[in-house]
Amino acid sequence: AQSVTQLGSHVSVSEGALVLLRCNYSSSVPPYLFWYVQYPNQGLQLLLKYTSAATLVKGINGFEAEFKKSETSFHLTKPSAHMSDAAEYFCAVSGGNNRLAFGKGNQVVVIP
Amino acid sequence: DAGVIQSPRHEVTEMGQEVTLRCKPISGHNSLFWYRQTMMRGLELLIYFNNNVPIDDSGMPEDRFSAKMPNASFSTLKIQPSEPRDSAVYFCASRLGQAYNEQFFGPGTRLTVL
Repeated sequence: AQSVTQLGSHVSVSEGALVLLRCNYSSSVPPYLFWYVQYPNQGLQLLLKYTSAATLVKGINGFEAEFKKSETSFHLTKPSAHMSDAAEYFCAVSGGNNRLAFGKGNQVVVIP
Repeated sequence: DAGVIQSPRHEVTEMGQEVTLRCKPISGHNSLFWYRQTMMRGLELLIYFNNNVPIDDSGMPEDRFSAKMPNASFSTLKIQPSEPRDSAVYFCASRLGQAYNEQFFGPGTRLTVL
């Protein structure tokens, strides 16, 4: 079975500062990894995904993530936070079966 | 494409009543997933279908929950009888093809059981 750990349920970041959300995964097979974003009262939207191609993955809205097998990590970053980045972010892992295991999520608050 | 469509968006019911949530996946997608989201437990997979066939229902909490997919364009999640602890946001998602492809989520149904 696969699982994801996201630490720190709430993350505050100043506008213009670096956004860093940490994700560590556990999987018995080579994983597929995803970051989703959820805005209030909406469903989840895909930000980016890793599927065993390039280890540095670029997504929408200026976000990127790096797959590090040795650290079992897939941390999400954005160089400069914008007010519109305030949302909840979920890391998820699939071990090749159809189950997608989500982390608990990070609620990002952007401080003007 | 209209995306994944869920109805109703909000449902308020009383304990003991039957609740039916509905989902229309994106046309052409062959996998459908039902999730439940709560503050305490986060996002949990309840059941998923592949080509209209239930593949894994191990996440269904108990026998009060049931799901069907009579055809490729429609699925239901039923709770009978409902209980206050079922209050949550229920999401439907659909996907085309393999596990490395994106799941597309609907807007969710917010269920409140009084």
